Amino acid sequence: SQQGEEDPQALSIQEGENATMNCSYKTSINNLQWYRQNSGRGLVHLILIRSNEREKHSGRLRVTLDTSKKSSSLLITASRAADTASYFCATVETGRRALIFGSGTRLQVQP
Amino acid sequence: EAGVTQSPTHLIKTRGQQATLRCSPISGHTSVYWYQQALGLGLQFLLWYDEGEERNRGNFPPRFSGRQFPNYSSELNVNALELEDSALYLCASSPRKQGMITEAFFGQGTRLTVV
Repeated sequence: SQQGEEDPQALSIQEGENATMNCSYKTSINNLQWYRQNSGRGLVHLILIRSNEREKHSGRLRVTLDTSKKSSSLLITASRAADTASYFCATVETGRRALIFGSGTRLQVQP
Repeated sequence: EAGVTQSPTHLIKTRGQQATLRCSPISGHTSVYWYQQALGLGLQFLLWYDEGEERNRGNFPPRFSGRQFPNYSSELNVNALELEDSALYLCASSPRKQGMITEAFFGQGTRLTVV
């Protein structure tokens, strides 16, 4: 089962532009995480935001969390061709022992 | 520090056979997760092991099973393989901090092809 749904499913932008991806989930959570996957291989953890946090930054990444709307967004600023990848949100549901992933957003950054 | 390692990288099996996939977590990590990712799709949660015990399983039939060994490495077994089991199988490990699931570290996956 999947907890989160990402929007859009695919995004194509030019190098230097900002990329915004959204994630919606269904139940209460302990934390929400964002991961990147290059070319169908292993995922890399990007950032974790706890349920009592509203915004978090890490380098060119900015994540927001709105628990009232059960949604999160990932902003990548000044994108680079190397940012081309699939991005997934993952949630840890309150009381549930699992890290559940969304369907992902495929980001293409054109040089 | 070595990352999560999975073996084999690729595996080709015939329908009806059994497949065994292996995963070694990062040293010190007690939790191991298994996911199935069909081509072009998201990750489907399969199993979670912690401290040698199965803690949770996803919505998969019983022919998907596994175990975690005393050294925290893990094995995923898929019996009676079907064509739709063809996928990338990802293993991840994480430390448990105060009973919370935090960031997971992924291996590069095993590409299982059933013919």
